[in-house]
Amino acid sequence: SQQGEEDPQALSIQEGENATMNCSYKTSINNLQWYRQNSGRGLVHLILIRSNEREKHSGRLRVTLDTSKKSSSLLITASRAADTASYFCATAGTNTGGFKTIFGAGTRLFVKA
Amino acid sequence: EAQVTQNPRYLITVTGKKLTVTCSQNMNHEYMSWYRQDPGLGLRQIYYSMNVEVTDKGDVPEGYKVSRKEKRNFPLILESPSPNQTSLYFCASSPGSPGGKETQYFGPGTRLLVL
Repeated sequence: SQQGEEDPQALSIQEGENATMNCSYKTSINNLQWYRQNSGRGLVHLILIRSNEREKHSGRLRVTLDTSKKSSSLLITASRAADTASYFCATAGTNTGGFKTIFGAGTRLFVKA
Repeated sequence: EAQVTQNPRYLITVTGKKLTVTCSQNMNHEYMSWYRQDPGLGLRQIYYSMNVEVTDKGDVPEGYKVSRKEKRNFPLILESPSPNQTSLYFCASSPGSPGGKETQYFGPGTRLLVL
């Protein structure tokens, strides 16, 4: 079953603008992670936020988590053409002991130079 | 270099011909997992392994087998491939379970076409 759902499905912005992607999930989680994938290549981990955290930063990335709404957002500030990629959220649910990972369908981000 | 390797990277086969996709990690990770990626569906977990000889089903295990005889290797076996198993496959590993503080490291992917 698909737990993480991202929106929008696709996003096109100009270089320098901020990009916001949202993720919703259905069950209680241990943590939520965001990954980036460049054009069919392997996924690269961006940031992990635990269920007892509300916000986390890493460089130009800012992730928020609202467990009451079962949602998370990823903000990329001052985007660059190199940020063009697909972004996925992934959750490890408490109902599976944290062993299973469920990914969303992803947001395709295109940053125009 | 710390990495997850998969072989082959590309494979074209025919329906019913058994195949194995290998996965190996050199980071002494306990947790390994296989995913398939299809357009519009994101990644779906096929099988995972918490340690040697300990494996369990993910969300889409039908038609697949795995084994974990050594810590570093986690092969994916398709006993009788069918066209609906045409997909992009990823192997991943992490020091511990995804529910902890650990992140997963992904291999480069294996693109499989079943005719």
